[in-house]
Amino acid sequence: DTEVTQTPKHLVMGMTNKKSLKCEQHMGHRAMYWYKQKAKKPPELMFVYSYEKLSINESVPSRFSPECPNSSLLNLHLHALQPEDSALYLCASSQGPGKGELFFGEGSRLTVL
Amino acid sequence: GESVGLHLPTLSVQEGDNSIINCAYSNSASDYFIWYKQESGKGPQFIIDIRSNMDKRQGQRVTVLLNKTVKHLSLQIAATQPGDSAVYFCAETVLQSGAGSYQLTFGKGTKLSVIP
Repeated sequence: DTEVTQTPKHLVMGMTNKKSLKCEQHMGHRAMYWYKQKAKKPPELMFVYSYEKLSINESVPSRFSPECPNSSLLNLHLHALQPEDSALYLCASSQGPGKGELFFGEGSRLTVL
Repeated sequence: GESVGLHLPTLSVQEGDNSIINCAYSNSASDYFIWYKQESGKGPQFIIDIRSNMDKRQGQRVTVLLNKTVKHLSLQIAATQPGDSAVYFCAETVLQSGAGSYQLTFGKGTKLSVIP
């Protein structure tokens, strides 16, 4: 299994809603990542988890809250988002920090109304 | 709106021709580079990688060249096919001191269009 699975594929939420994006991999990878991608732009790193511990937070606003319940799962909790947060949110995993390429999921397309 | 003035560099090639996509990277300390392909509505897909101790690496129909002197990376696609139409990103890894993790930073991307 070489897949990173993200749910939901599409999400529409209001600015007062609380929602979560989920990511799962069963490749035994020990590093997991959240990236944000706006239209016609490259993915931008948000968070890195290494061995289930948050190792990089790229100055992301606190309305985005990551969580890594175990080595296979990565969540991104969303609360009080702004319309400019609408984007494609990509999850990725790699064998370990600094080991090998990142495998990406298909992304969750988020629209904030 | 946010999309005003935004555009990707584009490359149009005839089916069967070779494609060359270029990328300039910023950090001379980067030691690992990856090319990704992203089709519309999908996540980035790994194509090929290269470490900084190499200057060329070949895969199936693809070749990556690395010139560390000028911090330049290129992706060559042989006999380009319609299925190669996508946005191509180069990415560099930079070791985050103290964090124990690599940060993968993407370049701006090039949109490849293959003309049948």
